[in-house]
Amino acid sequence: DTAVSQTPKYLVTQMGNDKSIKCEQNLGHDTMYWYKQDSKKFLKIMFSYNNKELIINETVPNRFSPKSPDKAHLNLHINSLELGDSAVYFCASSQDLAGEWSSYNEQFFGPGTRLTVL
Amino acid sequence: QKEVEQNSGPLSVPEGAIASLNCTYSDRVSQSFFWYRQYSGKSPELIMSIYSNGDKEDGRFTAQLNKASQYVSLLIRDSQPSDSATYLCAVTADDYKLSFGAGTTVTVRA
Repeated sequence: DTAVSQTPKYLVTQMGNDKSIKCEQNLGHDTMYWYKQDSKKFLKIMFSYNNKELIINETVPNRFSPKSPDKAHLNLHINSLELGDSAVYFCASSQDLAGEWSSYNEQFFGPGTRLTVL
Repeated sequence: QKEVEQNSGPLSVPEGAIASLNCTYSDRVSQSFFWYRQYSGKSPELIMSIYSNGDKEDGRFTAQLNKASQYVSLLIRDSQPSDSATYLCAVTADDYKLSFGAGTTVTVRA
């Protein structure tokens, strides 16, 4: 069984379009995250939700909007896609919030969604 | 803003040797430290976590943490070709954010 899954795996679209990426985890975790990995392979956090509440909202254009319908799902909607949005987007989950001195904050990543904006 | 620096690669080691990866971090209040392995085209996979000073061993992997020096390392003993990957150091504090280093690419030569 896949612990953290994402759809789609690949997404190719034109500039200006709106697209969504979906993430689901079956680990029973309370916290979910979105990361962006750029062409230089640098991994940077974008958002984090804990029990459906937004906890982390990094300096991300407001064209990016996360939504957590329940603890097991965290979706990412991107409006007006730009060339610079091309990257791999990873979803992750942890049992609890990162920062606590505990194994509860160990994060497990989904397979990623490779977004290409033409 | 935490900064996480890793020794620049790529690191090439012969099969059976020890690969040594280093990581330094800027935030003194950092609490939790992780090593992830990422194969090309795949997602990061957690291989080690360490929370207190000293060594932690898991199979062929040993993580070492020195909070006074703000330094964490990963040793891979008896390196195998399957260990060829990019290794990411990650650090978190009480701001709930996991900050990653740029990664060190390791190649194990058969």
